[in-house]
Amino acid sequence: GQNIDQPTEMTATEGAIVQINCTYQTSGFNGLFWYQQHAGEAPTFLSYNVLDGLEEKGRFSSFLSRSKGYSYLLLKELQMKDSASYLCAVRGMTTDSWGKLQFGAGTQVVVTP
Amino acid sequence: EPEVTQTPSHQVTQMGQEVILRCVPISNHLYFYWYRQILGQKVEFLVSFYNNEISEKSEIFDDQFSVERPDGSNFTLKIRSTKLEDSAMYFCASSGDRGRAKNIQYFGAGTRLSVL
Repeated sequence: GQNIDQPTEMTATEGAIVQINCTYQTSGFNGLFWYQQHAGEAPTFLSYNVLDGLEEKGRFSSFLSRSKGYSYLLLKELQMKDSASYLCAVRGMTTDSWGKLQFGAGTQVVVTP
Repeated sequence: EPEVTQTPSHQVTQMGQEVILRCVPISNHLYFYWYRQILGQKVEFLVSFYNNEISEKSEIFDDQFSVERPDGSNFTLKIRSTKLEDSAMYFCASSGDRGRAKNIQYFGAGTRLSVL
């Protein structure tokens, strides 16, 4: 199985940058995914990494180090609408499918004016 | 933009009753999933489905659960005899058949199941 850890909550000011860290321990690895989830809504895909390094996508970037079992999601130029829970999810290696996602508990980001 | 559609948005049922949650995945997707999220807890995998059969299932997905793709567009989750602890938000997801699209699971808005 997988053990996925991320901070429970982070607070930042509008216009600032926030970095959400995620560490994982897994018996197999086939990608790390970041989703945004507003309260009562569906997870929305943000970014994913399969190989080490940085993936940049507008205001959002995600980094992966497989040797360290570590990823982060960087949110730049924070806006009030970025207040949400950010979910780190690991896809394990299976032989039958492209694999289930195992989610962390999520990091609640609170953006203040 | 194509999206995963789920109905109903909210389902209230009595303990012991059967419920069917419905999903219409993105039209050219081939991999389908059900997840659930109990209020205040993490999203949990239930089952994945490909080529008209279950690919993988979790310990939660016991004999009370079943999935079906009754036609070319719908994907359903049935709970035969609901328990109080089945109360949760149930999310359907789908992913594509090639390249980057195969890697990304897109989620529907969810069905909130309340078992009384």
